[in-house]
Amino acid sequence: KNQVEQSPQSLIILEGKNCTLQCNYTVSPFSNLRWYKQDTGRGPVSLTIMTFSENTKSNGRYTATLDADTKQSSLHITASQLSDSASYICVVSANGAGSYQLTFGKGTKLSVIP
Amino acid sequence: EPEVTQTPSHQVTQMGQEVILRCVPISNHLYFYWYRQILGQKVEFLVSFYNNEISEKSEIFDDQFSVERPDGSNFTLKIRSTKLEDSAMYFCASSEATGGPYEQYFGPGTRLTVT
Repeated sequence: KNQVEQSPQSLIILEGKNCTLQCNYTVSPFSNLRWYKQDTGRGPVSLTIMTFSENTKSNGRYTATLDADTKQSSLHITASQLSDSASYICVVSANGAGSYQLTFGKGTKLSVIP
Repeated sequence: EPEVTQTPSHQVTQMGQEVILRCVPISNHLYFYWYRQILGQKVEFLVSFYNNEISEKSEIFDDQFSVERPDGSNFTLKIRSTKLEDSAMYFCASSEATGGPYEQYFGPGTRLTVT
């Protein structure tokens, strides 16, 4: 069964600090991995999408890495801002036998405090 | 910037009643999706829709659920006889294509409360 595990479950950091969120997956056959930001009560917003051949992808202060061999990804947030407070969700897409379902992790709830 | 819209933002209904959740996907997108998120849990895939038919559905999407594109702009999710456990946030999404690294754009969601 396809699964996505994220750690930590929650994280509190001071404004201006950096942080790294982790994602492990067992999705096969793998197509791509996405990181989404979800504000409370809102829909997820895409930050990055990476395919098998991509190791790193940046979007402003967000940098995602992917190790397809170990099936791990990380999301690094640099110089955090109060507006970064949200849930960050790792999502993996399979691609096999006509199935392109997205499998979501439970997310890491990030709180940035002044 | 184009966005996915959903109505209503909050729907309260009694157990056993039918509800229809509405979505307007981004206009040039061809693939449409419904997801649900029970409070405090992860987002779960329900169904994908392309060319006026279901292309994929999950185990959650049983006979109680149906989807429709009644006209050129709306995409709806109908729950025939709601149960308490259907209470959740329902997200609509759309994309230009599928099967690769194509962005799925999510709407703001409809919070369904079944009493």
